[in-house]
Amino acid sequence: DQQVKQNSPSLSVQEGRISILNCDYTNSMFDYFLWYKKYPAEGPTFLISISSIKDKNEDGRFTVFLNKSAKHLSLHIVPSQPGDSAVYFCAASEIQGAQKLVFGQGTRLTINP
Amino acid sequence: NAGVTQTPKFQVLKTGQSMTLQCAQDMNHNSMYWYRQDPGMGLRLIYYSASEGTTDKGEVPNGYNVSRLNKREFSLRLESAAPSQTSVYFCASQTGNSYEQYFGPGTRLTVT
Repeated sequence: DQQVKQNSPSLSVQEGRISILNCDYTNSMFDYFLWYKKYPAEGPTFLISISSIKDKNEDGRFTVFLNKSAKHLSLHIVPSQPGDSAVYFCAASEIQGAQKLVFGQGTRLTINP
Repeated sequence: NAGVTQTPKFQVLKTGQSMTLQCAQDMNHNSMYWYRQDPGMGLRLIYYSASEGTTDKGEVPNGYNVSRLNKREFSLRLESAAPSQTSVYFCASQTGNSYEQYFGPGTRLTVT
């Protein structure tokens, strides 16, 4: 039972355009969400997060949107740059308990020049 | 400040062999985690340690054991490796005040 789902294994976007990565979750107890970026042969690195009390969080070119009623979040990258080419993982956590993260399957983003 | 370090980077084992993956962090974090990454599966939690002296099972603990040696070090042991344990293993740490986890560079393990 996949509690966090990224239904698009890959996404290709032209440099300078907007990249939109999507993530759905099923567990209504999740109340904190994170996006991680992973380059080949490296560990994931934290990108941006959002608490369930917010519906938007922005950090430079990166914005995360949360729709709690739809159990859906998205990551927007504007403008997309070649260095953004990586695998992006969505993750979720419950506030109560051990703060374990549950990850989605990942989306491979390719930015084309 | 090295962050999270893992050894070895690569390892090839034969079925039935044992090995220990080492992880250390120098950020004084309380919590440490072991994940495996398989194609199309994302990262799945194997074991975690919320604090020194405690360990708990994650989503896929079968075939693994862990030791939280001290606050810095958290090792993962495969007692009898199986081909299904071929994967990339990541260690992560987390301060108790944030949800953000910091990951090591990973160990690529192949079991033949």
